[in-house]
Formats: sequence, C-alpha cells, structure tokens
Amino acid sequence: DAMVIQNPRYQVTQFGKPVTLSCSQTLNHNVMYWYQQKSSQAPKLLFHYYDKDFNNEADTPDNFQSRRPNTSFCFLDIRSPGLGDAAMYLCATSRDSGTLRRETQYFGPGTRLLVL
Amino acid sequence: AQKVTQAQTEISVVEKEDVTLDCVYETRDTTYYLFWYKQPPSGELVFLIRRNSFDEQNEISGRYSWNFQKSTSSFNFTITASQVVDSAVYFCAFWMNRDDKIIFGKGTRLHILP
Repeated sequence: DAMVIQNPRYQVTQFGKPVTLSCSQTLNHNVMYWYQQKSSQAPKLLFHYYDKDFNNEADTPDNFQSRRPNTSFCFLDIRSPGLGDAAMYLCATSRDSGTLRRETQYFGPGTRLLVL
Repeated sequence: AQKVTQAQTEISVVEKEDVTLDCVYETRDTTYYLFWYKQPPSGELVFLIRRNSFDEQNEISGRYSWNFQKSTSSFNFTITASQVVDSAVYFCAFWMNRDDKIIFGKGTRLHILP
C-alpha cells in the first residue's frame, strides 16, 4: 500500500545533541510537510518542500532544518534540541495537480521526540 | 483572516450513542476546502473527508456523516452508533487554494465509554 513512513516512531535524545527524523513516502507526491504537535494542541507547520523548493514558516526557529534529497525522502534536523522541542513530529505529503494547487495532505504515523 | 473553531474541547458519550462534533470556520474567500482528520492515541492523523466550498451536498460514509452549511459556515461531523474505537481527537481543518498551509482547529477529544 502507498503510504507515508516515519522512522523512528520514538526518539530519545539529550539536551543539545543533534537529532534527525526521517520521512519517506511511496505516494510519489511532490509536496512534503513537517509539523510539530505538542500535547493537546493542533499540529503546527514548520516548513514544507514543493519539489525541491524549501518553504519555511516565519515563526519556525533556526534550530530546525530540513533536507529533501529526492522525491521520496525528507529529513528533519534539530541542531540543538531543547526541552521545549519535545513533541510529536508529523510528516505529511500532498500532490500538486496544477489546477488545484494542493490536494489532501496524508500524514505519517509521527515520531515522538523526548529530550532529556 | 481564516479561522477554524471547534468549540467542544472534550466530549464523552456511552457506546452506541450518536455524537456530533461541531466545526465553524471564518473566511471571506469563496474557494476553499474543509477537512476532518482523526487522531487516535497512536498519534497518526487519519484523513476522513475533504469537501470543497462549491459542494454543499452532505456525505455519509458508514457510521460517519458530514453536514456542510455555508449559510452558517459550519462543517459538522456526526458519528452514529458510536464505538469504543471511535475514541480519538478529531480535527477540523480549512485550506484555501492560494495558501500553502491548512489551518487546523484545536481539536475535539472524543471518549466513547463502553
């Protein structure tokens, strides 16, 4: 089945130690998104890639970076995680069909990040 | 500015009861899309439905039904004969064609009690 995959499902890191979360998709969608979701809150968009074009949200901290080496994979790098970065990180994909700029976003299972 | 309001923070019902989750949105645009997502305890956001602003036809999918009314800017979600597996957080979301991101409501946590 076509899907959005996130690894690992749970990640524990130390304060200040860089961490990378990964997302892959078999949907062949050209748009990929990273969201941060804290407890009892709605997902918050960090950034997205439209093909290879990176689009950062204005309020996303510089501590968060992303890479998209190819259509299928996208990475979220947290350079120096703080305690406040502990959250669920959700990857999503969608297809830009031209006449409809964005179609439905499909989400992966998420990675829960714990910062010690 | 666009806004999505889910006034019900948390709802508890007994299994087999019907339950309606409310969603109200604000926009001045005429072309937009509305979504419902389900987030079970496992954390994954599961897509349930998408509706565009030109299609006010209500939709039914099994025990799920959606009532879209532009006159009241509402897109309500009803679960009929609820089951324990329906326990989750449900998010209503809004997206405009010219925007890069969708706007989520704050979610409604639904507890189905056995």
